[in-house]
Amino acid sequence: EAGVVQSPRYKIIEKKQPVAFWCNPISGHNTLYWYLQNLGQGPELLIRYENEEAVDDSQLPKDRFSAERLKGVDSTLKIQPAELGDSAVYLCASSNNAGANTGELFFGEGSRLTVL
Amino acid sequence: GQQVMQIPQYQHVQEGEDFTTYCNSSTTLSNIQWYKQRPGGHPVFLIQLVKSGEVKKQKRLTFQFGEAKKNSSLHITATQTTDVGTYFCAGRFRGSARQLTFGSGTQLTVLP
Repeated sequence: EAGVVQSPRYKIIEKKQPVAFWCNPISGHNTLYWYLQNLGQGPELLIRYENEEAVDDSQLPKDRFSAERLKGVDSTLKIQPAELGDSAVYLCASSNNAGANTGELFFGEGSRLTVL
Repeated sequence: GQQVMQIPQYQHVQEGEDFTTYCNSSTTLSNIQWYKQRPGGHPVFLIQLVKSGEVKKQKRLTFQFGEAKKNSSLHITATQTTDVGTYFCAGRFRGSARQLTFGSGTQLTVLP
């Protein structure tokens, strides 16, 4: 079974440029998460989807970040314009517990963003 | 906001020594999960604890959930070089639906 797939693995851009990350969750997983991980820190939730609905986006900086999950499968996370402080690893995770309060998260390899 | 605190931040041990990392929350958790992240890798699920006072074992790893469901620990007996990585706890707070809050992690180095 294929795991969570993310692309690109690495991205280097100059500040004020836009960037987009893509995530394909594990087949059948209806919950999708985008996390941000800074070096030496734990993952911080940006947004959580239940199917195609964003149910928790309180930590998403909406002035520059946007996300979508069309058809409740793949998801994209966009930053426009990027700032120096956005340099981090962006992790996508999925789980199959839409209605439950439990369930493990399966993480992708992450997309490492460097903003110059 | 609701946070999960984890200590220590770093731990260096000699191979064969034991290792423990601790996780604490100011408020009651519904459940807690533990993940391991190898250097350059992504977090991988280890276990979930749900019940008050629960203890679970996976070979040399022992996981505990406190009686008040506010703290948890991970203990590794006789560490091996393959145990190297960062261990994260992640808790779900009561009343916060399915939001999972990660601790800052404990980075374990095992010296051969």
